[in-house]
Amino acid sequence: QVQLVESGGGVVQPGRSLRLSCAASGFTFSGYALHWVRQAPGKGLEWVAVISYDGSNKYYADSVKGRFTISRDNSKNTLYLQMNSLRGEDTAVYYCAREYDDFPDVWGKGTTVTVSS
Amino acid sequence: EIVLTQSPATLSLSPGERATLSCRASQSVGSYLAWYQQKPGQAPRLLIYDASNRATGIPARFSGSGSGTDFTLTISSLEPEDFAVYYCQQRSNWPPGYTFGQGTKLEIK
Repeated sequence: QVQLVESGGGVVQPGRSLRLSCAASGFTFSGYALHWVRQAPGKGLEWVAVISYDGSNKYYADSVKGRFTISRDNSKNTLYLQMNSLRGEDTAVYYCAREYDDFPDVWGKGTTVTVSS
Repeated sequence: EIVLTQSPATLSLSPGERATLSCRASQSVGSYLAWYQQKPGQAPRLLIYDASNRATGIPARFSGSGSGTDFTLTISSLEPEDFAVYYCQQRSNWPPGYTFGQGTKLEIK
């Protein structure tokens, strides 16, 4: 079945870096755009970034532009989010999601990132 | 940046009642609007895409309507499992983005 599994979350100090991964299975990975979406504790959903099916186009929320980089490896069926210069407000559950018919349709269970000294 | 405003923030209803949730955009998004359901500790679940199309496996009691700046999610007769938080999301081509509304909590009365 279609599945997305995030990993790489953890506790990190402010100003440091972290890379999240999202492993996909059950569908043709290279045919879909992919998203990262986050949710701070007790808060709503915040869209973070999207990457096109071939990696040629990438777009970011203003809150992460210049600090986060989305990428993908279609040979490994894996999506990445490189997060640099982390801040306390980046603390959240990070979800990866596949886009189908204009919107994210399949979501992973999420990985938790905590930015704290 | 397009801002989505959902109302009400909290909706208290009983099973069997009809629920009407609203999402208003700060500028036209055409029909590029989706609705999600999220239960505690779970990932969001896509309900409606492109304003009025039900996603795969979504019961017929869920329906979406609207275009431009005003959108509505209707649940015709609430089941116990429908009590959750609902988010709308828009997709804009310029500037490219996919912002969410702040959510509506549907709670049991």
